[in-house]
Amino acid sequence: DAGVIQSPRHEVTEMGQEVTLRCKPISGHNSLFWYRQTMMRGLELLIYFNNNVPIDDSGMPEDRFSAKMPNASFSTLKIQPSEPRDSAVYFCASSLLLRTGVFNYGYTFGSGTRLTVV
Amino acid sequence: QKEVEQNSGPLSVPEGAIASLNCTYSDRGSQSFFWYRQYSGKSPELIMSIYSNGDKEDGRFTAQLNKASQYVSLLIRDSQPSDSATYLCAVRRSGYSTLTFGKGTMLLVSP
Repeated sequence: DAGVIQSPRHEVTEMGQEVTLRCKPISGHNSLFWYRQTMMRGLELLIYFNNNVPIDDSGMPEDRFSAKMPNASFSTLKIQPSEPRDSAVYFCASSLLLRTGVFNYGYTFGSGTRLTVV
Repeated sequence: QKEVEQNSGPLSVPEGAIASLNCTYSDRGSQSFFWYRQYSGKSPELIMSIYSNGDKEDGRFTAQLNKASQYVSLLIRDSQPSDSATYLCAVRRSGYSTLTFGKGTMLLVSP
């Protein structure tokens, strides 16, 4: 299994530009999570999908952020327009939810996208 | 009060010693607890999970859970320099299907 695949690994963009981060979850996993990690705030949940449906997007900072999961094997996180305070490492993770609140075994994280907005 | 709290460290231990990492959580109804290890510049990787009070051992790692005290810990026996990393505590709160992470404790194991 190739694990959770994220792209790009690094992204440097200018303030005001649109940024799109991509994620391919592990085949057979039905839950996908986008997290953001900074030194100040640690790992913060942005959005959670179950069976391609957004379940909890309460962590999405503001309207500049949007996420989609058009099918079980692909998700995107878009920031438009980007701002310097969006600079962080963005992780995608996937898992298999057996029933509400019960995962087969934790999350598997992708390698992350380091975003720098200048 | 933060939902999941960890001492940021660094916690410095000599090679071969026992490293003890601690985590407290605020939601008394929390049900699932995880420890992740994150090397610098890498993604978190799951090393232990624990769901009931008591100890759970896996090789050199022991997770301990005390729900009454809202406390979970990770012991690493015979610490190795390769154990040097940040250890993240994660909690599944009652009514949620997602994990809330602490900010992590940096562990440094010196040869």
